[in-house]
Amino acid sequence: DTGVSQNPRHKITKRGQNVTFRCDPISEHNRLYWYRQTLGQGPEFLTYFQNEAQLEKSRLLSDRFSAERPKGSFSTLEIQRTEQGDSAMYLCATNEGTQYFGPGTRLTVL
Amino acid sequence: AQSVAQPEDQVNVAEGNPLTVKCTYSVSGNPYLFWYVQYPNRGLQFLLKYITGDNLVKGSYGFEAEFNKSQTSFHLKKPSALVSDSALYFCAVRSPSRGDKIIFGKGTRLHILP
Repeated sequence: DTGVSQNPRHKITKRGQNVTFRCDPISEHNRLYWYRQTLGQGPEFLTYFQNEAQLEKSRLLSDRFSAERPKGSFSTLEIQRTEQGDSAMYLCATNEGTQYFGPGTRLTVL
Repeated sequence: AQSVAQPEDQVNVAEGNPLTVKCTYSVSGNPYLFWYVQYPNRGLQFLLKYITGDNLVKGSYGFEAEFNKSQTSFHLKKPSALVSDSALYFCAVRSPSRGDKIIFGKGTRLHILP
């Protein structure tokens, strides 16, 4: 257990629905990252926050994706109008020199 | 652009034998290099990292990795493999001059045969 928690662990949804994932970081870590991992691939960077400021977004983060980190604590990742191609494991990590990952949320879009 | 290559999709090693999982990287400037391990349906667990200093880095569970600047490699090694080492291993690189995100390789599945 790294101290980073993610909820839910699994989410099954129908195409076109909206979903939201939550990440609770290690409390003293200022930086928080979101990654996406598909089967047979390594994690791909989506976005990261320094406290509440979103500092970088990948081109993978289409306009259907939005991430927030209010008050610089927990973070949420929302996907609107889900597509089957969004099916993946969504990983959150927090960093103080080394990135520590949560267990991930596995999204299945039917 | 930053990139990481793990040339082997799978590595099979007999229990008790030494193991090596290969990684090469491409990055501008001095790299920060990492190895992570992933067990089924679990997140990534940090094994070890190289930032500066001694080229041989020791990490968790008896793993070590050797940084070779001339060959741009960062191979993961263990002197004596255990069946419980069977998992998916990811090499990753971060360039301090290119922001804080980490670029991961595709992963190498390690099978330790009893």
